[in-house]
Amino acid sequence: GENVEQHPSTLSVQEGDSAVIKCTYSDSASNYFPWYKQELGKRPQLIIDIRSNVGEKKDQRIAVTLNKTAKHFSLHITETQPEDSAVYFCAASEGRGLTGGGNKLTFGTGTQLKVEL
Amino acid sequence: DAGVIQSPRHEVTEMGQEVTLRCKPISGHDYLFWYRQTMMRGLELLIYFNNNVPIDDSGMPEDRFSAKMPNASFSTLKIQPSEPRDSAVYFCASSPAPLGGELFFGEGSRLTVL
Repeated sequence: GENVEQHPSTLSVQEGDSAVIKCTYSDSASNYFPWYKQELGKRPQLIIDIRSNVGEKKDQRIAVTLNKTAKHFSLHITETQPEDSAVYFCAASEGRGLTGGGNKLTFGTGTQLKVEL
Repeated sequence: DAGVIQSPRHEVTEMGQEVTLRCKPISGHDYLFWYRQTMMRGLELLIYFNNNVPIDDSGMPEDRFSAKMPNASFSTLKIQPSEPRDSAVYFCASSPAPLGGELFFGEGSRLTVL
């Protein structure tokens, strides 16, 4: 099955700086890569996702890049703010097509981001 | 829509007791997932359903765990008998789409087994 590795496990940045979180995956058939943000004591929520037919996607201060050849993807947060402090999870879907198995997400182990004032 | 609804939010029980966690997915979502979150292992997929049918239960730890989805608006995850190592936050999530669909998580059920 799919294996997703995420680095770093913790990341501390100064407010206004950029933060980068990196993930690698093992299944070359995976074609959907979402990122979830989980604030302390809350549920994970989708912040951005990318599909394998594009190499980069941006939404305001958040961007995700994908390198299918190398099987890695990254989350970039610019101009970080204290409210960005949370745990971020990357994930990859096992691309089994439309037989019902295609929606299975495997998550990375998470990155605790702390934005310091 | 109220989102994915889970109950109970917190459960404290003693080893050996039966635990039942409940989930109501978002109306119209065909996929339902049960995840377990711990510090050591992160978010682990236990089982997921499509149109009330279990598709993949390879993540269920052992026979002590079972899940059902009797209809499109209700699912249960049962642990019998419970053990201290089952202590975790259990999330239910639903999704409207097949491949590449966003997961909508519930608030989670925090289980503590003493």
